[in-house]
Amino acid sequence: EVQLVESGGGLVKPGGSLRLSCAASGFTFSTYTMNWVRQAPGKGLEWVSSIIGSGTYTYYVDSVKGRFTISRDNAKNSLFLQMNSLRAEDTAVYYCAREVGDTWGQGTVVTVSS
Amino acid sequence: DIQMTQSPSTLSASVGDRVTITCRASQSFSRWLAWYQQKPGKAPKLLIYKASSLERGVPSRFSGSGSGTEFTLTISSLQPDDFATYYCQQYDSYPYTFGQGTKLEIK
Repeated sequence: EVQLVESGGGLVKPGGSLRLSCAASGFTFSTYTMNWVRQAPGKGLEWVSSIIGSGTYTYYVDSVKGRFTISRDNAKNSLFLQMNSLRAEDTAVYYCAREVGDTWGQGTVVTVSS
Repeated sequence: DIQMTQSPSTLSASVGDRVTITCRASQSFSRWLAWYQQKPGKAPKLLIYKASSLERGVPSRFSGSGSGTEFTLTISSLQPDDFATYYCQQYDSYPYTFGQGTKLEIK
């Protein structure tokens, strides 16, 4: 069964850091582009970042450039999102998703508040 | 960046109705457009990819069409399970962008 499971969310103060993880199973992880998508409370979906299968190329929405870093470990079938200099507006459920979004994790909640 | 605008934002309909949701892009692109359904507290579910390709396991009452700057999602006969929020997303170029969503409510 194809599955994605996120972890690492939590409550952090403004300016703090968190590292999200997404564990993949049931497919050849290294051959897929992976994405992070977030959803602020009561709001719509926002694409955050993508990384191609080899990890060579990464892409970010402007609002997180320079603060967030996407990475992957294909040997461990894992996707990561390092989030630094967090702001209140980064508060959201963060989902990892495969390719065009045929598979999503259950989401992990990030709350940035003092 | 390609901006995606969905309409309507809210749609009230009854079981058995045919409904259409529209997504307009700020610039033309190839058919790299997806439609998702999301229910409260759940992850989005892919319905349509490449503008008109039905994801495996999705009922055939869902269909997508369009190209260029205008795309539509049609549900031919609404079922009780279809009341949810729907999003379009372009994946033609980075940054990928979503529409703001259409909430489909029971009339």
